[in-house]
Amino acid sequence: DVKVTQSSRYLVKRTGEKVFLECVQDMDHENMFWYRQDPGLGLRLIYFSYDVKMKEKGDIPEGYSVSREKKERFSLILESASTNQTSMYLCASSLLGGFQPQHFGDGTRLSIL
Amino acid sequence: GIQVEQSPPDLILQEGANSTLRCNFSDSVNNLQWFHQNPWGQLINLFYIPSGTKQNGRLSATTVATERYSLLYISSSQTTDSGVYFCAVEGRGVFGNEKLTFGTGTRLTIIP
Repeated sequence: DVKVTQSSRYLVKRTGEKVFLECVQDMDHENMFWYRQDPGLGLRLIYFSYDVKMKEKGDIPEGYSVSREKKERFSLILESASTNQTSMYLCASSLLGGFQPQHFGDGTRLSIL
Repeated sequence: GIQVEQSPPDLILQEGANSTLRCNFSDSVNNLQWFHQNPWGQLINLFYIPSGTKQNGRLSATTVATERYSLLYISSSQTTDSGVYFCAVEGRGVFGNEKLTFGTGTRLTIIP
């Protein structure tokens, strides 16, 4: 079974802090994704990566950056956290090539005070 | 980009009832997945179903790709079925660009 692990289930940070959300997958998947989920808006893609050191902007990349130094790890970075980044963050991974299901981690509920 | 609409937005049923959730999408797709998000926020992959019909216990799903819709059937509902059901699709884009677009979900509440 695919295992996607997010480093924290709950996280509370202050406005202006630099925040790191970590995601690790154990199935040698090429693709990794970061989504945020907000009430009434569903899940929206922030960034994704299809290879080490590669990244592509999703639908809402503003205020975020990402890092993929190793194939199994994909980090989401909030350079200077703001209250409107309070949300549920979900990481996913999949094999490359289309026609492949995405597998999700348990999510990190982030609160910015 | 591709649009995904789910209906109904909310559904309240008595335990034991059957239900049908619908997902319409605006363009051809490479991938369609149904997810269940439980009350703890965990997103569980129910079906990977870009076309055809699949069944898993009390749940089944059908995607008619040519007509751009998918249906999720839940029979003999149980309280543990409560939560939000999401449909997500991957449009036929550039290779290496396999991102999912999610609908806004159907919130299902099963009453004992």
